[in-house]
Amino acid sequence: SQQGEEDPQALSIQEGENATMNCSYKTSINNLQWYRQNSGRGLVHLILIRSNEREKHSGRLRVTLDTSKKSSSLLITASRAADTASYFCATFTSGGSYIPTFGRGTSLIVHP
Amino acid sequence: DVKVTQSSRYLVKRTGEKVFLECVQDMDHENMFWYRQDPGLGLRLIYFSYDVKMKEKGDIPEGYSVSREKKERFSLILESASTNQTSMYLCASSLKREKLFFGSGTQLSVL
Repeated sequence: SQQGEEDPQALSIQEGENATMNCSYKTSINNLQWYRQNSGRGLVHLILIRSNEREKHSGRLRVTLDTSKKSSSLLITASRAADTASYFCATFTSGGSYIPTFGRGTSLIVHP
Repeated sequence: DVKVTQSSRYLVKRTGEKVFLECVQDMDHENMFWYRQDPGLGLRLIYFSYDVKMKEKGDIPEGYSVSREKKERFSLILESASTNQTSMYLCASSLKREKLFFGSGTQLSVL
């Protein structure tokens, strides 16, 4: 079953612009994670934000978490053509199992 | 860095064949996962293992079985491959609820 749902499904921007993707989920979480997947490859972990955190940064990535709205956003600043990929959010529920639930992803295309 | 290795990047099999997909991780992670990924459907969990010889069914276990005889190795078995099992298969490992490390994926085609 899928708890996290990303929005938009697809995003097309020009190099240098910012890209924002959103993730909504349904139940209380322990943490939320963002992953990136280049075409035909495995997923790569980008950032983990815990339920008691509101914002986290890693390089050009900024993740926010709003537990009252059950939503998270991933912002990629000053995007590059190399950022073209699919981005997935995954959640671990509070007190639950060790199985994360993945959304269906946002496909980002950055035009040079 | 953790490495998760899947035995094949591309695999072509015939309908009815028994297929083994192997996954090995090198960081002593308790948890290992097998997902399949199809366009528009995202990642769907086939099986999960939380320890040697321990497993849980995921969302779509039908037609699949798994084996975890050693902590580092998690095998996915297609008992009798069918064309609707043509897909990208992804293996991952993790510690508890921390980040997952994925292999490069196996693109399986069943003809």
